[in-house]
Amino acid sequence: AQKITQTQPGMFVQEKEAVTLDCTYDTSDQSYGLFWYKQPSSGEMIFLIYQGSYDEQNATEGRYSLNFQKARKSANLVISASQLGDSAMYFCAMRVNSGYSTLTFGKGTMLLVSP
Amino acid sequence: GAVVSQHPSWVICKSGTSVKIECRSLDFQATTMFWYRQFPKQSLMLMATSNEGSKATYEQGVEKDKFLINHASLTLSTLTVTSAHPEDSSFYICSAPIAGDNEQFFGPGTRLTVL
Repeated sequence: AQKITQTQPGMFVQEKEAVTLDCTYDTSDQSYGLFWYKQPSSGEMIFLIYQGSYDEQNATEGRYSLNFQKARKSANLVISASQLGDSAMYFCAMRVNSGYSTLTFGKGTMLLVSP
Repeated sequence: GAVVSQHPSWVICKSGTSVKIECRSLDFQATTMFWYRQFPKQSLMLMATSNEGSKATYEQGVEKDKFLINHASLTLSTLTVTSAHPEDSSFYICSAPIAGDNEQFFGPGTRLTVL
């Protein structure tokens, strides 16, 4: 079974600063993918970034980067230059590359960006 | 990216009635779709996997007779909440993977309120 742990229920950051959202995972599978999604108050799930277990480079997408430390089983999301519109719930998720391609989600971190 | 739609986006119904929620993949074919439920301030929990042309696979603890899933075509899956009760009030969201694509595409969600 897979497990995703997000230990930060909430995070505060000031506009234009960087913030790191923590995520650790547990799986016995060797091939898996890690995802981060943003969920604003509207409820839609917005895909941010993906990291494959065999990817040697950390994934980056604009202001988002994923700090992947395989030995520690961590996949932290780094948001640089925070904007007010970044205020939302953030979910870390995992998909193993065998059987179903469903996602297992963490409990989420609420990020609030202040002016 | 690919688009998944859901209808309705919100619904209010009386206790004891049945509610049907549609999930459509608009620009790709989806042999598999996933249905998630999200209670307020909680994470997404997988309810069932919808398979085109065959029976859905339900997660442990999800009543198959209460949450009827029909995946009649490659672009449409429906979730029917039968004899809905207030405890079924939740945010229901579907998603569809695309083979060979890392991203899993989510619908905008349906907010169900049972009075």
